[in-house]
Amino acid sequence: AQSVTQLGSHVSVSEGALVLLRCNYSSSVPPYLFWYVQYPNQGLQLLLKYTTGATLVKGINGFEAEFKKSETSFHLTKPSAHMSDAAEYFCAVTEGAGGTSYGKLTFGQGTILTVHP
Amino acid sequence: KAGVTQTPRYLIKTRGQQVTLSCSPISGHRSVSWYQQTPGQGLQFLFEYFSETQRNKGNFPGRFSGRQFSNSRSEMNVSTLELGDSALYLCASRRDREGYTFGSGTRLTVV
Repeated sequence: AQSVTQLGSHVSVSEGALVLLRCNYSSSVPPYLFWYVQYPNQGLQLLLKYTTGATLVKGINGFEAEFKKSETSFHLTKPSAHMSDAAEYFCAVTEGAGGTSYGKLTFGQGTILTVHP
Repeated sequence: KAGVTQTPRYLIKTRGQQVTLSCSPISGHRSVSWYQQTPGQGLQFLFEYFSETQRNKGNFPGRFSGRQFSNSRSEMNVSTLELGDSALYLCASRRDREGYTFGSGTRLTVV
């Protein structure tokens, strides 16, 4: 079974400040991990993903995340927030190689990011 | 390259009716999955299809069903609609183990 916990349903930062969105997961097999962003009335856009290899993953729009197996975490960061980053962010997990249900994404509850001028 | 296309974008139905939603995946993507998004329950997995076969199913009642055609297009059907079925229904497609690409969704309102 898999689960995802996103700490903080709302995060507020000032423009130019560091963005840190927290995600912890549980998985019985090595996971594949994803971060998605959702703007109002739109679908989900993939920011970045971790499957295998390098644990520091760079994505679009200046976001990156680090897979830490020992901490079962996959936190999302961006050095300098921009007004256009205001949206809802979802962390998701699926089973990686060896899993039998890797077609299913399990999502966290989402974190709404607000960026103040 | 065209993304995942979901039709219709908006739908209003009456309790007890049934509804069919459509999803056209990215060309070359053979896997299609469906998700329900509500404010209370968040994003929940409905089912996944691969090469016309349902490969995985979430914890939803039998009123929710789906199918996939030979061209990978998929439909999901909800029968005997309830008020609680009001949600954004998202379709995603993928090729192999790549990241899932989502459509813009169909917003279903049951009145």
